[in-house]
Amino acid sequence: SQELEQSPQSLIVQEGKNLTINCTSSKTLYGLYWYKQKYGEGLIFLMMLQKGGEEKSHEKITAKLDEKKQQSSLHITASQPSHAGIYLCGADMRGNEKLTFGTGTRLTIIP
Amino acid sequence: ETGVTQTPRHLVMGMTNKKSLKCEQHLGHNAMYWYKQSAKKPLELMFVYNFKEQTENNSVPSRFSPECPNSSHLFLHLHTLQPEDSALYLCASSQAGPGGEQYFGPGTRLTVT
Repeated sequence: SQELEQSPQSLIVQEGKNLTINCTSSKTLYGLYWYKQKYGEGLIFLMMLQKGGEEKSHEKITAKLDEKKQQSSLHITASQPSHAGIYLCGADMRGNEKLTFGTGTRLTIIP
Repeated sequence: ETGVTQTPRHLVMGMTNKKSLKCEQHLGHNAMYWYKQSAKKPLELMFVYNFKEQTENNSVPSRFSPECPNSSHLFLHLHTLQPEDSALYLCASSQAGPGGEQYFGPGTRLTVT
């Protein structure tokens, strides 16, 4: 099994609806990073979480790291077509800059 | 535009060719990375350079040879590749050490024929 599991693998959501993506680690995390990727392109940094219980928001996207620092969720409120893409979580599992990534969640927004 | 550029964006090469991928960062970072992204697999870390010194080689075959002449430039030299090496190759940079977010380039889509 993967060290870092993302769920769901894909998500189709009607425009305007809320959604949540989860990232679960088999180890305690030193840091958790959320990225967004358009197909075949580079990753765009969204947010970084380091402390248990930490929550950060940017525009309509909120990310949380649970108290035990083994799971993170990304929540999008009132989804828009611009939110479509692949969301990747990356984890620092060793206390250094070497990240392990999940397999990604492909988000499709339908009108 | 993230401040990390990669060239070429697309590359098709035969198994006997030699080619190089180039990455340049304009963010003042001191760590640079090569990643491989294949279909339906997690992003795989290949190499890490901190202050021009290689600090990670994630069991990458020797047909991939990285070079980091300075903190702003990173190359990936390719030779005698296999079709299964076809993938998106991504470069990233950050401040060295834990807690520094990595900024990615747009990637090079490599096809080995």
